[in-house]
Amino acid sequence: TQLLEQSPQFLSIQEGENLTVYCNSSSVFSSLQWYRQEPGEGPVLLVTVVTGGEVKKLKRLTFQFGDARKDSSLHITAAQTGDTGLYLCAGGGRTGTASKLTFGTGTRLQVTL
Amino acid sequence: EAQVTQNPRYLITVTGKKLTVTCSQNMNHEYMSWYRQDPGLGLRQIYYSMNVEVTDKGDVPEGYKVSRKEKRNFPLILESPSPNQTSLYFCASSKSLLRGEPSPLHFGNGTRLTVT
Repeated sequence: TQLLEQSPQFLSIQEGENLTVYCNSSSVFSSLQWYRQEPGEGPVLLVTVVTGGEVKKLKRLTFQFGDARKDSSLHITAAQTGDTGLYLCAGGGRTGTASKLTFGTGTRLQVTL
Repeated sequence: EAQVTQNPRYLITVTGKKLTVTCSQNMNHEYMSWYRQDPGLGLRQIYYSMNVEVTDKGDVPEGYKVSRKEKRNFPLILESPSPNQTSLYFCASSKSLLRGEPSPLHFGNGTRLTVT
C-alpha cells in the first residue's frame, strides 16, 4: 500500500505569514493532486502536477512536484483567513484514473487575524 | 449546477440497524467512489465503481456494500452498522479518464454517521 505523509499535521499562523506544507512518500507517483477542504464541505481540487520538478502557481499558492515524483510541497505566500482549511495531497497511479488515488493524512491550517 | 449530492448529511443510528446513504451526480461521470474520513487517517477508499454494474473494493471495504444500477447513483449500504463505522463519509465522482492529466474528483458535502 502506498502511503503519503503530510507535515505538519496542524499549523496555526497569523495573516500575512508564509507557510509550506509537505507531502512525502517512499513510492513514486505518476501525478500529484492537492485538495482543500473547508468545514462542512467535501474536498475541492486546487491543482494537479504530473511532471517531476513541475511548479504550478495559483495566485498566492505555489505547488511543486519533486524531481523523483515521490514528494510535493504547497507554499502559501501572505496567508489570508480565507486560506483556512484542511489541505490534502493525493498521489495518482499510472492509469490516470481516480480509482488509484492515494490520499495523504492532511494538514489542518488555521489563519487568524 | 454540476454537483454530487449525498443524503442524509447527518445520521445517528444504533448497532445492527441497516442503513443506506445515497449519492447522486449530475455530471454523467463514469467513475464514482466512497471514502471515509477519520482524524489523522486522511481519506480512505471504501468502494469504487468504474461504470454501471462494475464495482470494486477499495482499501477498507469490510462492513459495507454498494451497488451501481444507474450511472448517476451509487448508494452505500451498511447491513449491520457497528460503532467503528462512526465516521464522516464522502461520495465522489469523476470522468473515467482525462487526456493528459488524472481525473479530478468531485466530492459531495459529506454524511456524518454516528453508530451507538
